[in-house]
Amino acid sequence: EAGVAQSPRYKIIEKRQSVAFWCNPISGHATLYWYQQILGQGPKLLIQFQNNGVVDDSQLPKDRFSAERLKGVDSTLKIQPAKLEDSAVYLCASSSTSGGPGTGELFFGEGSRLTVL
Amino acid sequence: AQRVTQPEKLLSVFKGAPVELKCNYSYSGSPELFWYVQYSRQRLQLLLRHISRESIKGFTADLNKGETSFHLKKPFAQEEDSAMYYCALSNSGGYQKVTFGTGTKLQVIP
Repeated sequence: EAGVAQSPRYKIIEKRQSVAFWCNPISGHATLYWYQQILGQGPKLLIQFQNNGVVDDSQLPKDRFSAERLKGVDSTLKIQPAKLEDSAVYLCASSSTSGGPGTGELFFGEGSRLTVL
Repeated sequence: AQRVTQPEKLLSVFKGAPVELKCNYSYSGSPELFWYVQYSRQRLQLLLRHISRESIKGFTADLNKGETSFHLKKPFAQEEDSAMYYCALSNSGGYQKVTFGTGTKLQVIP
């Protein structure tokens, strides 16, 4: 089966510019996560979707970050305007809630590395 | 609130030596614990989960609720075990929220 796809892999922007990241989860996975991983730290949850509804966005800086998951499939994470401290790897993950094998396991994409100058 | 602590940023061991990566957690309910691994130039992936009680690539981890720990162990380290290891906790009930620790880099010296 195809894995979680993310693009772009790398992005360099100047502060105050905007950027968007795209994620296509594994087919049939109802839950989609966006994590931010700053160098030397563990992944930090930004937002979590169940189908096309948000179930947790408590750590999303809503003044500059937004995310959507239209039609409950792929998702876009946007940053506008970017700050220097947004430099990080943005990881998308998906998981199944079907109750079958692998339920609860997070499947990650390769990540999108953002550098803000 | 749920929290995962990995006290070591880097653990260096010689090939053939035992490995123990420490993980402690804080959660008021009954959590599910995982170890994820990221090899060089690969994506983050599941290594093992406590409910499976499996040994994966020679690694085991036992959930100790009294000490709120889920340490990862392997009796004899191999060079291919060199990677970043992340302990993660998932809540019980409701939607699944997964919290990660800061990670430990395991370096196996030939």
